[in-house]
Amino acid sequence: GIQVEQSPPDLILQEGANSTLRCNFSDSVNNLQWFHQNPWGQLINLFYIPSGTKQNGRLSATTVATERYSLLYISSSQTTDSGVYFCAVDLTGGFKTIFGAGTRLFVKA
Amino acid sequence: DADVTQTPRNRITKTGKRIMLECSQTKGHDRMYWYRQDPGLGLRLIYYSFDVKDINKGEISDGYSVSRQAQAKFSLSLESAIPNQTALYFCATSDGSTDTQYFGPGTRLTVL
Repeated sequence: GIQVEQSPPDLILQEGANSTLRCNFSDSVNNLQWFHQNPWGQLINLFYIPSGTKQNGRLSATTVATERYSLLYISSSQTTDSGVYFCAVDLTGGFKTIFGAGTRLFVKA
Repeated sequence: DADVTQTPRNRITKTGKRIMLECSQTKGHDRMYWYRQDPGLGLRLIYYSFDVKDINKGEISDGYSVSRQAQAKFSLSLESAIPNQTALYFCATSDGSTDTQYFGPGTRLTVL
């Protein structure tokens, strides 16, 4: 089946630093989403981004579907950015949402 | 008010008991989903429903059943709970145009 791999698995940043999270997927997908799970467990949709680039404040995401990867950029990180970032893909030709294992981010004050 | 609500938020039960987790949404979305999350892992899809008459198995449906009582309500049942069903369970909704998924707060289930 499709593989969704996220890197790095863990990341520690000093407040104010920038970071790039990566999501690789092994097959063609219909769409791709990025989620943030905060330390209290709440999942928030960040981007729906099957291709191209989107920006929302300090966050931006780029998906290159032909090369099967997506990147999530966090600029000027804040302690509230801490949590786990998941990418999730929907397979082409049938519905099945597959989540990656996540990148655990901790931003130090 | 939250758009996607789940009840209960926490539940402790014993092996063999029947458990129902409920999900309600006010977003007007046709599509609803149930996922489970195990510690340190991503979410895995249990069941999904694209409308009231459409129910589909996901990646890990064994040991679970669902009921779509109305557009706004989607319930997950564990007919005979077992300890390895201890997990965090999430309900989600999406509309059919973008499939952007919106999650409920989760239900933490412990099976002893």
